[in-house]
Amino acid sequence: SQQGEEDPQALSIQEGENATMNCSYKTSINNLQWYRQNSGRGLVHLILIRSNEREKHSGRLRVTLDTSKKSSSLLITASRAADTASYFCATDVNAGGTSYGKLTFGQGTILTVHP
Amino acid sequence: NAGVTQTPKFQVLKTGQSMTLQCAQDMNHEYMSWYRQDPGMGLRLIHYSVGAGITDQGEVPNGYNVSRSTTEDFPLRLLSAAPSQTSVYFCASSYSRGGNEQFFGPGTRLTVL
Repeated sequence: SQQGEEDPQALSIQEGENATMNCSYKTSINNLQWYRQNSGRGLVHLILIRSNEREKHSGRLRVTLDTSKKSSSLLITASRAADTASYFCATDVNAGGTSYGKLTFGQGTILTVHP
Repeated sequence: NAGVTQTPKFQVLKTGQSMTLQCAQDMNHEYMSWYRQDPGMGLRLIHYSVGAGITDQGEVPNGYNVSRSTTEDFPLRLLSAAPSQTSVYFCASSYSRGGNEQFFGPGTRLTVL
């Protein structure tokens, strides 16, 4: 079963606007990761946030994690046409304190940025 | 570094045929895994390995075998292909079993007729 649920399923914005994607999960995690997938390509890692972190930044990306609500959000600021891709959250489930690196992926958000 | 490589890029099989999807990494990563991606389903873990000689099942292991005789290679074998195995297959690796980003290969698009 899918651990992560992503919202929205699709997002269409204009260049320069911000894009926000949300991810909810069901069980305790060690960390949560966000990946990008361009059409027909493999996944590229964007950012990892650990369960004891609340916010993380990387360039134009901002990720928040609320473990009490079991949710995370990815914000892309000042979006560009090149940001057009699918974005996936993936959870590394906490199995009794041990991380086995078995990622469980959400269904993804398809982001389209219009020039 | 080539990163994670997968061969072939595309493959068409007939029901009942067997084949091996190849995956190799040159980053000396301990952890390797296989996922399949179906439309609207995200990625699902098939099998994974935490080191040479050690493999375990993921979420959807039925119909697939793996082995890990070297750190570099992690082939995925389809024993008797079925149309339900039509999918895009991704191999991934990471430095250690947990708490690290995973590096993905470009994928193999498999069609079973």
